[in-house]
Amino acid sequence: EAQVTQNPRYLITVTGKKLTVTCSQNMNHEYMSWYRQDPGLGLRQIYYSMNVEVTDKGDVPEGYKVSRKEKRNFPLILESPSPNQTSLYFCASSSTPTSTDTQYFGPGTRLTVL
Amino acid sequence: QKEVEQDPGPLSVPEGAIVSLNCTYSNSAFQYFMWYRQYSRKGPELLMYTYSSGNKEDGRFTAQVDKSSKYISLFIRDSQPSDSATYLCAMSAGLRGGFKTIFGAGTRLFVKA
Repeated sequence: EAQVTQNPRYLITVTGKKLTVTCSQNMNHEYMSWYRQDPGLGLRQIYYSMNVEVTDKGDVPEGYKVSRKEKRNFPLILESPSPNQTSLYFCASSSTPTSTDTQYFGPGTRLTVL
Repeated sequence: QKEVEQDPGPLSVPEGAIVSLNCTYSNSAFQYFMWYRQYSRKGPELLMYTYSSGNKEDGRFTAQVDKSSKYISLFIRDSQPSDSATYLCAMSAGLRGGFKTIFGAGTRLFVKA
């Protein structure tokens, strides 16, 4: 089954404690992306990756890091989380960056930073 | 001003109604226009995709793009309770925009049986 998986699904942490949210896809997609979703603001792109070792900033990259060492994995790293990073996070992948094919979204990770 | 504006609703309609969802945008470089549907507690799923101006139809769904007015629409005919969800418009300028995707805030739709 074609899917994007994220872990963990729910996370409560404290300010400053480094965390990683994993994302994995099994469709051999080249393009992967991270979004955060906040009420009234919709989905905002954090980082995206065109392929292995190729990443670029989206609209709201501050406070986040990513890496793409393997095609299937695209982890999101928060080195020093702050309360304003409390949000719902989605990972997505597609075979093309312009979403001419279906862009698959993961189930989401709800992060709370106290 | 946001690059993409979308009325958050909520929009409540009776079953069988025609629904019109809209977004306006300011960046004339946008060429790729998408509509996503998001059910509660789920990730968005791509519903319709349109390149440049024009119409696209898929079953009960029709997507329209008017680049001259910077306005896109999604029409749902014969709406069903199962259509109740949040609908997000999304846009991309492709290579010219660095392949970033900009989403609207989403419109919550309720279809009453």
